[in-house]
Amino acid sequence: VQLEQSGAEVRKPGASVKVSCKASGYTFTSHYIHWARQAPGQGPEWMGIFDPSAGTAAYSQRFQGRVTMTSDTSTGTVYMELRSLRSDDSAVYYCARDRQVIVSGDFYYNFMDVWGEGTTVTVSS
Amino acid sequence: DIRLTQSPASLSASVGDRVTITCRATKDINKYLNWYRQKPGKAPEVLIYDASNLETGVPSRFSGTGSGTDFTLTISSLQPEDVATYYCQQFDNVPLTFGGGTKVEMK
Repeated sequence: VQLEQSGAEVRKPGASVKVSCKASGYTFTSHYIHWARQAPGQGPEWMGIFDPSAGTAAYSQRFQGRVTMTSDTSTGTVYMELRSLRSDDSAVYYCARDRQVIVSGDFYYNFMDVWGEGTTVTVSS
Repeated sequence: DIRLTQSPASLSASVGDRVTITCRATKDINKYLNWYRQKPGKAPEVLIYDASNLETGVPSRFSGTGSGTDFTLTISSLQPEDVATYYCQQFDNVPLTFGGGTKVEMK
């Protein structure tokens, strides 16, 4: 089981970034995918959860309106787009699989058992 | 949001020492708490889920206890590969939140 993330990105303030997370080794539509970010020296910060079977997402209020999570089922890839970037969005962005098997109709949380390697996003003018 | 406060923020211990890290939640989260280890430059990896269950493949020197608002992660005999930062994470309520971390160093 593996999650492979896209490479490092550099953006100017006000721009957008889209990070990909390609899943392999398990049935793509059977587990939720979380996105979290980690600024230097800080603990991880949860951004939201994506259901690949339904194509739906639930976002942290902190990012609501600025983040969109989507997927391409044909390639087993989940995407996270963050818009209106600011300097304090500079961080390592992770995708992580939830151990919970998807139950249709709602989001259920368990623990993050497989993580991507992380994607460094730098926002600088 | 539920805040998780970890203590200590850092500690230094010798190989073979018993190490204890605590995590306190701002409200009752039952047993909906996980523990992760993050080695420098790597992604976090789960050690303990549901407060006290050892993830498959994790060495038995790791254990977790607690429920409600107070939780503990114990390393019974510290090994060199345990040099890392440890985080607790709650999943009782959204947004999911992590503690501030405990950095474990070797003496």
